[in-house]
Amino acid sequence: DAKTTQPPSMDCAEGRAANLPCNHSTISGNEYVYWYRQIHSQGPQYIIHGLKNNETNEMASLIITEDRKSSTLILPHATLRDTAVYYCIVRVAAGFQKLVFGTGTRLLVSP
Amino acid sequence: DSGVTQTPKHLITATGQRVTLRCSPRSGDLSVYWYQQSLDQGLQFLIQYYNGEERAKGNILERFSAQQFPDLHSELNLSSLELGDSALYFCASSPIGEGNTEAFFGQGTRLTVV
Repeated sequence: DAKTTQPPSMDCAEGRAANLPCNHSTISGNEYVYWYRQIHSQGPQYIIHGLKNNETNEMASLIITEDRKSSTLILPHATLRDTAVYYCIVRVAAGFQKLVFGTGTRLLVSP
Repeated sequence: DSGVTQTPKHLITATGQRVTLRCSPRSGDLSVYWYQQSLDQGLQFLIQYYNGEERAKGNILERFSAQQFPDLHSELNLSSLELGDSALYFCASSPIGEGNTEAFFGQGTRLTVV
């Protein structure tokens, strides 16, 4: 699985958009980008995933660059409950593939 | 609520002992994953089962073992416990074991070895 690089921490004001970057410069053509988050020792929660097109769901948007070497997770209107560690994971979409978590980005949303 | 149930939520035991952690996957999910999260290691993949068979193995110690039963629930057995085994243990499930699918995590079992 390709490795990812994320900033260790970010701050965001409540109500503003949180843009969390992820670098995955060695990603292969058959690898998807997944995002999970973990709120204070709870079980990780799936957010979104994509291959090359931008994706949006009720939680967030995922923007993947055209060369697929980086992506950005966007929380459009961050709330205090979005304070968590966010993990960007690259995973092959075939075969039995484990999710490999890196160190993630600790997002702090402040009032 | 992810639909994945882990028991017990908390467990305190002494060094040298053996414990069993239990995971009930979401209804219909065939694949179960186990992860360990200690303070200095982050989330470490241990092992994956799919429909009763082991499918992927991570950094699982020989003192640890797991199985998935015909009703699809899974158990993680930890033996000869050491202080360093103190951690959060998470179970996750997914509908299939391969391909493009997300995994749903339980709330974890916090193991404290004293």
